[in-house]
Amino acid sequence: EVHLLESGGGLVQPGGSLRLSCAASGFTFSNYAMSWVRQAPGKGLEWVSAISGNGATTYYADSLKGRLTISRDNSKNTLYLQMNSLRAEDTAVYYCAKPNRANSYYFYAMDVWGQGTTVTVSS
Amino acid sequence: QSALTQPASVSGSPGQSITISCTGTSSDIGDYNYVSWYEQHPGKAPKLMIYEVSNRPSGVSNRFSGSKSGNTASLTISGLQAEDEADYYCSSYTSSRFVVFGGGTRLTVL
Repeated sequence: EVHLLESGGGLVQPGGSLRLSCAASGFTFSNYAMSWVRQAPGKGLEWVSAISGNGATTYYADSLKGRLTISRDNSKNTLYLQMNSLRAEDTAVYYCAKPNRANSYYFYAMDVWGQGTTVTVSS
Repeated sequence: QSALTQPASVSGSPGQSITISCTGTSSDIGDYNYVSWYEQHPGKAPKLMIYEVSNRPSGVSNRFSGSKSGNTASLTISGLQAEDEADYYCSSYTSSRFVVFGGGTRLTVL
């Protein structure tokens, strides 16, 4: 069974940093690009970042570029999101998501989602 | 402000059909066939319902269908059922921002 499990969320002060992880299982991880999507409390979905299957190419939402670094370790089947200079508006549930097509650069339709990890930025 | 525009809410009675619109621009929906639709129940992760405008993933009911005309995509749910009550989000590939979502539509089954 295909499964994604996020971890690393928590309470962090404004200006702080956090690294999220997403452990994948049940599929050939390196064959898929992967994405992070977030959802602020009571708000809609927001695409955050994606990374190619081999990790060489990364993509970021314009509003977040410069504060985030997406990476992956294919030997550990794990996706990461390093978040720096966190702000109150970064408070959200962060989901990792797998696309429905095994293509290193395709991440436009996501058919498997984790349960999410909650990031709260507050003093 | 979301990049794609959806109505905040729609409603329908059991057995009826409803359509949710998703309006973008010529830089996203109008120029690419990478439109997806997601269903999200409260406290749950989103579920892919439609991809590449009109394709249904395995396991998704054929009561769900998608289409596109110009810069607007649509999700139609026929034979409305109580369990369809949820939030629905559209998304599209866009050359400038990669993936954008709509603001979401709350479907109420009366």
